[in-house]
Amino acid sequence: QSALTQPASVSGSPGQSITISCTGTSSDVGSYNLVSWYQQHPGKAPKVMIYEGSKRPSGVSNRFSGSKSGNTASLTISGLQAEDEADYYCCSYAGSSTWVFGGGTKLTVL
Amino acid sequence: EVQLVQSGAEVKKPGESLSISCKGSGYSFTSYWISWLRQMPGKGLEWMGKIDPSDSYINYSPSFQGHVTISADKSISTAYLQWSSLKASDTAIYYCARHPGPESFDPWGQGTLVTVSS
Repeated sequence: QSALTQPASVSGSPGQSITISCTGTSSDVGSYNLVSWYQQHPGKAPKVMIYEGSKRPSGVSNRFSGSKSGNTASLTISGLQAEDEADYYCCSYAGSSTWVFGGGTKLTVL
Repeated sequence: EVQLVQSGAEVKKPGESLSISCKGSGYSFTSYWISWLRQMPGKGLEWMGKIDPSDSYINYSPSFQGHVTISADKSISTAYLQWSSLKASDTAIYYCARHPGPESFDPWGQGTLVTVSS
């Protein structure tokens, strides 16, 4: 199992939209519609923002959206706000009750 | 409210053993899997393994198989992560998380900082 590939950092200005990519393989991202995205603020536990590729848990802003094409999943945050500044991790089910995470992306709101 | 509450921070020496815990509340503990995840200092999240508390069936990441032991005591709604001989490289924050299904980890415990230093 190799980690999913995410950009180390992305940035955007308030009000703009950003997209974070998450590239896996045909054994994980490409095989299952089970990609989830997590937001982690410094010193805090991660929080799920997207599951099953594009579904939002109750309470998560509709500014967060997810999609997938082939072996690559994406998280888009629209209308960037200062509170969105955090680390973001993608995760994919990889079969046989195993999961694999991406290396994480640091989002900076300029 | 669904909650996972983890045991407190630990400071250990190399070679010592350790068990940290994760207590679930606000839901049926045996109805959901629990996973353990590692976050080394300044690094990303790594999935270590999961347990089904109803029957204690465990799946380990190949990266952690043989290095840690996952267990659960359903009578007290608590999952455990154990080491028999710690190394300095085990220094990290360890999180437990519930699986509503294979689709996500939600919620997460608050994390347990384990520091291994001579």
